[in-house]
Amino acid sequence: AQSVSQHNHHVILSEAASLELGCNYSYGGTVNLFWYVQYPGQHLQLLLKYFSGDPLVKGIKGFEAEFIKSKFSFNLRKPSVQWSDTAEYFCAVNAANTGFQKLVFGTGTRLLVSP
Amino acid sequence: DAGVTQSPTHLIKTRGQQVTLRCSPKSGHDTVSWYQQALGQGPQFIFQYYEEEERQRGNFPDRFSGHQFPNYSSELNVNALLLGDSALYLCASNLLDRGRGYGYTFGSGTRLTVV
Repeated sequence: AQSVSQHNHHVILSEAASLELGCNYSYGGTVNLFWYVQYPGQHLQLLLKYFSGDPLVKGIKGFEAEFIKSKFSFNLRKPSVQWSDTAEYFCAVNAANTGFQKLVFGTGTRLLVSP
Repeated sequence: DAGVTQSPTHLIKTRGQQVTLRCSPKSGHDTVSWYQQALGQGPQFIFQYYEEEERQRGNFPDRFSGHQFPNYSSELNVNALLLGDSALYLCASNLLDRGRGYGYTFGSGTRLTVV
């Protein structure tokens, strides 16, 4: 079975600081990896996804993530955060190349960016 | 606009009652999944519907059941409500692709409170 660990439950940063949120997954096969963001009062939105190819994935709003297969990690990064990045961030995984995939989510990281 | 419409947005029920939640998928999508997001947790997969059949199910009791209609919309039913069923229920839709696991579009959810 797949599982996802997000070690940082709460992160507080000042504007312009750099961000890195950790995500580790557990699964023996090939996976697809996702980062979703949930702004206060809004629905989950896809930030970026990795299926195959270049392990450095660029997403929306200046976010990027790097898939390191040997470490089973998919950490999210942003060089300079803004107040508007205040939100909850979820890492998710599903098994690649199978039908009827389900997403397995981590517990989320709540990011607060102070102006 | 999420593209996925859920109703109602909020609901209060008493223990032992039954509840039905509704979801209209994004236009063009044919697969609907339901997730439960308890406070402070990541979304947990309940089940997934495709071609009006339940295709995959998470670790939820039989009190949780669903349905998909010919127009791809879906319902989630929960019988004999428990206090622990209080959560945000998310609907996600996607266009099924057995090889890739394309990202889902999530609705804003139904906040269920059981008292």
